[in-house]
Amino acid sequence: GQNIDQPTEMTATEGAIVQINCTYQTSGFNGLFWYQQHAGEAPTFLSYNVLDGLEEKGRFSSFLSRSKGYSYLLLKELQMKDSASYLCAVRDKDYQLIWGAGTKLIIKP
Amino acid sequence: ETGVTQTPRHLVMGMTNKKSLKCEQHLGHNAMYWYKQSAKKPLELMFVYSLEERVENNSVPSRFSPECPNSSHLFLHLHTLQPEDSALYLCASSQAGLAGSDTQYFGPGTRLTVL
Repeated sequence: GQNIDQPTEMTATEGAIVQINCTYQTSGFNGLFWYQQHAGEAPTFLSYNVLDGLEEKGRFSSFLSRSKGYSYLLLKELQMKDSASYLCAVRDKDYQLIWGAGTKLIIKP
Repeated sequence: ETGVTQTPRHLVMGMTNKKSLKCEQHLGHNAMYWYKQSAKKPLELMFVYSLEERVENNSVPSRFSPECPNSSHLFLHLHTLQPEDSALYLCASSQAGLAGSDTQYFGPGTRLTVL
């Protein structure tokens, strides 16, 4: 079967750096997405990786290693508003999105 | 309005009720999706419409009935639901094609409670 693994919950301190990992086993690969979802709100698109390497967007970066079936989302200079769930999703060979259960990130002052 | 909107935001219904969830997208997309989101579980894709035709139905019970009258509107009709159907129901849209980078944009969801 197809599977996406992410930690259930992480805690970090305001101003620090946190890395949220995502590992996947899917039938084929056509890209990996990261979404942010604040409690009670819509998931919002953060990043898309299809080639190996690091993509940087301001305070957020996303890394992909296709050979290892691994990605991470790196958040720098954490702010209280970054407290949210972060969802990892992989598009498989049939272009279906396979979702992880999400990582709840708690930021402490 | 912009983006993807959903109404109602909250819904409480009994098991014998009939209700409908509404979704509207203002992004000019050609595909719309219904997802179920339960606590600590991955998003479950329920239905997909592309160019107003249903292209996917992931073994969803018949008590859920989708309707897509045009490319901007999507409904989910509910009847004789069970308490385990309580969840957040998310609508999404995208400009679909066979490109891996097609990004789905989500509405805020309807929090459904079945008593």
